[in-house]
Amino acid sequence: GAGVSQSPSNKVTEKGKDVELRCDPISGHTALYWYRQSLGQGLEFLIYFQGNSAPDKSGLPSDRFSAERTGGSVSTLTIQRTQQEDSAVYLCASSLGVVMNTEAFFGQGTRLTVV
Amino acid sequence: AQSVSQHNHHVILSEAASLELGCNYSYGGTVNLFWYVQYPGQHLQLLLKYFSGDPLVKGIKGFEAEFIKSKFSFNLRKPSVQWSDTAEYFCAVSSGNTPLVFGKGTRLSVIA
Repeated sequence: GAGVSQSPSNKVTEKGKDVELRCDPISGHTALYWYRQSLGQGLEFLIYFQGNSAPDKSGLPSDRFSAERTGGSVSTLTIQRTQQEDSAVYLCASSLGVVMNTEAFFGQGTRLTVV
Repeated sequence: AQSVSQHNHHVILSEAASLELGCNYSYGGTVNLFWYVQYPGQHLQLLLKYFSGDPLVKGIKGFEAEFIKSKFSFNLRKPSVQWSDTAEYFCAVSSGNTPLVFGKGTRLSVIA
């Protein structure tokens, strides 16, 4: 597609429920990243996929968070048993390949509110 | 681990004032450096980037940044800001096969 697409754009969920956030990267981009943006906290790295390599999960804040990328394209970020502190904007980005000497393109984000 | 520091949390300027936003990073090897901008209600967009070569980088909308390796800095500048520059600005660093590390952002408010 023309850009990185994320859905839904907004999600309100009750505490304790599971949520799934979707990201469609730019066609042909082999690298895909998830970040979390909270007020005053900048962008917090969550997870990174590069081609067929094992994902870098070092930024996931707890085992309630997981992500997968099917067929090297679409990615889903799943948050189980949501807590109020999970409320944030979740951003997806993609790039042509390894991060060096390439730029990342960001989607509009999914605003998650846990009530 | 890499880290990025943006010195100013919120900057308020009048139109036509000059802008400089500070950014320092902590990695000592070869780096790629970026400034991203997020206008109200919009997604993050690349403002400018440094990969190699001339350390003075020109970006869109009259922005520029200077990479000073000895100071581990990549400060963003604009000689004369406009009301439409009101946004949040993020400095980011990458090195090797690592994802982008972002600073906490600087909110710029330009008043008429």
